[in-house]
Amino acid sequence: EAQVTQNPRYLITVTGKKLTVTCSQNMNHEYMSWYRQDPGLGLRQIYYSMNVEVTDKGDVPEGYKVSRKEKRNFPLILESPSPNQTSLYFCASSLKGAGNTIYFGEGSWLTVV
Amino acid sequence: AQSVTQPDIHITVSEGASLELRCNYSYGATPYLFWYVQSPGQGLQLLLKYFSGDTLVQGIKGFEAEFKRSQSSFNLRKPSVHWSDAAEYFCAVGALDFNKFYFGSGTKLNVKP
Repeated sequence: EAQVTQNPRYLITVTGKKLTVTCSQNMNHEYMSWYRQDPGLGLRQIYYSMNVEVTDKGDVPEGYKVSRKEKRNFPLILESPSPNQTSLYFCASSLKGAGNTIYFGEGSWLTVV
Repeated sequence: AQSVTQPDIHITVSEGASLELRCNYSYGATPYLFWYVQSPGQGLQLLLKYFSGDTLVQGIKGFEAEFKRSQSSFNLRKPSVHWSDAAEYFCAVGALDFNKFYFGSGTKLNVKP
């Protein structure tokens, strides 16, 4: 089954404690991206990757890092989380980029206290 | 700058009534257009997409959308709403030259019995 899988689905953490949200897709997609969803703001793109070792900033990259060492994986790293990063995070992938349908993971609820 | 506007934050319709959700975009080139639905606690599911060709596109669950270039709009419609359609709906634009996706802020649909 074609899937985008992200973990953890729910996490409560403390300010400053580094965390990683993993994302994996099994569709051999080249394009992967991370979004955060906040009430009234819709989805905002954090980072995206066109292929292995190729990443670029989205609209709200501050406080986040990503890496793309393998085609299937695209982890999101919060080096020093802060309360304003409390949000619902979605990983997504598409075959080659913005000209293709994007497929979403089920979301990761992150609370930073 | 590229943007997607969904002017209606909340809409309430009676079951069996028709529905139209509005979406306007700002993008210089021909956009790739999507509508996604998000049920509570779920990820985003693709309803339909427009890439080219016929400007009236059919999607899943009885939804359709019409691309109007002159109005920069891509409104979503359904002739008869079911209670299970209650969800949040997102319009999105794929900007090929930037390889980014832009989402509207969403419209929450409530369905009255």
